[in-house]
Amino acid sequence: EDQVTQSPEALRLQEGESSSLNCSYTVSGLRGLFWYRQDPGKGPEFLFTLYSAGEEKEKERLKATLTKKESFLHITAPKPEDSATYLCAVQSGSARQLTFGSGTQLTVLP
Amino acid sequence: GAVVSQHPSRVICKSGTSVKIECRSLDFQATTMFWYRQFPKKSLMLMATSNEGSKATYEQGVEKDKFLINHASLTLSTLTVTSAHPEDSSFYICSARGQGQSFSYEQYFGPGTRLTVT
Repeated sequence: EDQVTQSPEALRLQEGESSSLNCSYTVSGLRGLFWYRQDPGKGPEFLFTLYSAGEEKEKERLKATLTKKESFLHITAPKPEDSATYLCAVQSGSARQLTFGSGTQLTVLP
Repeated sequence: GAVVSQHPSRVICKSGTSVKIECRSLDFQATTMFWYRQFPKKSLMLMATSNEGSKATYEQGVEKDKFLINHASLTLSTLTVTSAHPEDSSFYICSARGQGQSFSYEQYFGPGTRLTVT
């Protein structure tokens, strides 16, 4: 059974204070690891897909990395508008659907 | 690209009535659509997976007679909550995965529908 664990559950940062969110996973044959951003009352917004260990992707202040056991979402010099819940999900070779973590609620204070 | 819409965004209905929620992929053809339910401050719970032209596959514990799913075309799936009760009140979100993306497993999500049953 695929498992995804995200930490921390909640993170409060000052504007400009860089940090990282963690996503640990256990899957049988990783097809892809996905990062989403979800604002309150909205559907998740797709950010990144990572397919293999060592892969990195960047988008503005966000950078996602992947190892064989975990993924990190690095946030560099965050701004208040980066406040949201960040969800990690995996797709394994044996599953039809994504398995989601419980998310990290990020708050960036001005 | 990869935009998914849902309608309505909010609906309030009386107990015992049925409600239909539409999910559309606007700029791509979705071979597979997924329906999720999300409780406050919780992650997404997959309810069912539907492929165009075939019956939906429901997750364990989800009543298929209560949550009717139809995926009649490559751009439209509907979720009908039948004989709704207050415990069905929730945030329902659909997602879609595109056709021809054999090496891409991204799901693109709709904005969600807030259902309140009174």
